[in-house]
Amino acid sequence: RKEVEQDPGPFNVPEGATVAFNCTYSNSASQSFFWYRQDCRKEPKLLMSVYSSGNEDGRFTAQLNRASQYISLLIRDSKLSDSATYLCVVPISSGSARQLTFGSGTQLTVLP
Amino acid sequence: EAGVTQFPSHSVIEKGQTVTLRCDPISGHDNLYWYRRVMGKEIKFLLHFVKESKQDESGMPNNRFLAERTGGTYSTLKVQPAELEDSGVYFCASRSMNTEAFFGQGTRLTVV
Repeated sequence: RKEVEQDPGPFNVPEGATVAFNCTYSNSASQSFFWYRQDCRKEPKLLMSVYSSGNEDGRFTAQLNRASQYISLLIRDSKLSDSATYLCVVPISSGSARQLTFGSGTQLTVLP
Repeated sequence: EAGVTQFPSHSVIEKGQTVTLRCDPISGHDNLYWYRRVMGKEIKFLLHFVKESKQDESGMPNNRFLAERTGGTYSTLKVQPAELEDSGVYFCASRSMNTEAFFGQGTRLTVV
């Protein structure tokens, strides 16, 4: 099983729709989680951090379910500019190091 | 404040040649990471520096890859000799103790 797994996508949704992505992780000791957004040919940029049960920022809501080891990202009232690849990222401790482990990403296209 | 910068942005080299990628982290960030994304795959961890010390290099594919961070400032990643399967986008990220990771724009390496 991969350490971080995401919905494969792609998701093609009309403008204004609500869309949700799921991500499962294998390390039950993980404490923090991130959703990064990556535009085509650009670097990943942090969208949201999730440390407890969830986080909300405007149209974006991230939820964490520790028992089932998954996190979700909900986008409401989607905009054309939301089109991007969304990466689920989980810090994994390796000895004294703390590396980020990435999911394969979910591609979202918001259509006019 | 300047972000993480990487050089070059693109590199096309022949199989067997040597390429050196450079990363300048955000000033004051002790933690520096190298990641790689090959075509169609997820972003994968290569190694992690804390200041000038390698904390974790478990993701380095083989001994053709050499990373350095002399003086704990910028870092280089040298591939020698390059092989076709080394093609991909190499990302550098940096963070301080209490921030998320900030990514550079990446170096797109093509080995022909």
